[in-house]
Amino acid sequence: KNQVEQSPQSLIILEGKNCTLQCNYTVSPFSNLRWYKQDTGRGPVSLTIMTFSENTKSNGRYTATLDADTKQSSLHITASQLSDSASYICVVNGGYGGATNKLIFGTGTLLAVQP
Amino acid sequence: GAGVSQTPSNKVTEKGKYVELRCDPISGHTALYWYRQSLGQGPEFLIYFQGTGAADDSGLPNDRFFAVRPEGSVSTLKIQRTERGDSAVYLCASSLPSGLDNEQFFGPGTRLTVL
Repeated sequence: KNQVEQSPQSLIILEGKNCTLQCNYTVSPFSNLRWYKQDTGRGPVSLTIMTFSENTKSNGRYTATLDADTKQSSLHITASQLSDSASYICVVNGGYGGATNKLIFGTGTLLAVQP
Repeated sequence: GAGVSQTPSNKVTEKGKYVELRCDPISGHTALYWYRQSLGQGPEFLIYFQGTGAADDSGLPNDRFFAVRPEGSVSTLKIQRTERGDSAVYLCASSLPSGLDNEQFFGPGTRLTVL
């Protein structure tokens, strides 16, 4: 069964600190992996996208890594800010060729940044 | 330009009633997706439209759920004989023609509560 698992389930850190979120997936075939940020009451917004051949991708203070061999990804947040408080969702695209762009979502890591 | 919009933002209904949820995609996006997100979970795929036709409805849980997109733009998700288990946030997303790297842009969701 195609699954995406994330850890930790929730995390509390102090403003200015770094943190790393983990994602393991068992999706096949694999097309790409995105990390989304979902603020409370809002829809998810894409932070990074990586394909099979990419190992790392940065977007400002967000850096994502991908190990396609072990089917693991991580999202590292540097110098956290209060506005980083949100749910971070790992999303794997299980589509292929011209088929459905079908996304498989993890359950998310709920991050709380405290002053 | 405007993002994906969804109406209503909140809907409270009684068990057994019929509800319609509306999604206005980003102009020019031919692909449209519906997802359901239960509390503390990641979104789950329901149905995908390419233009006016439902290209993949494999995520619809049963025949009480139906979606249309008659003119290839606005879409309506229809739920008949609602049950308490249907309570969730229903997210709509749109993208350029379904390609594996095309980002899906999400609306804010409709929170459905079935009493």
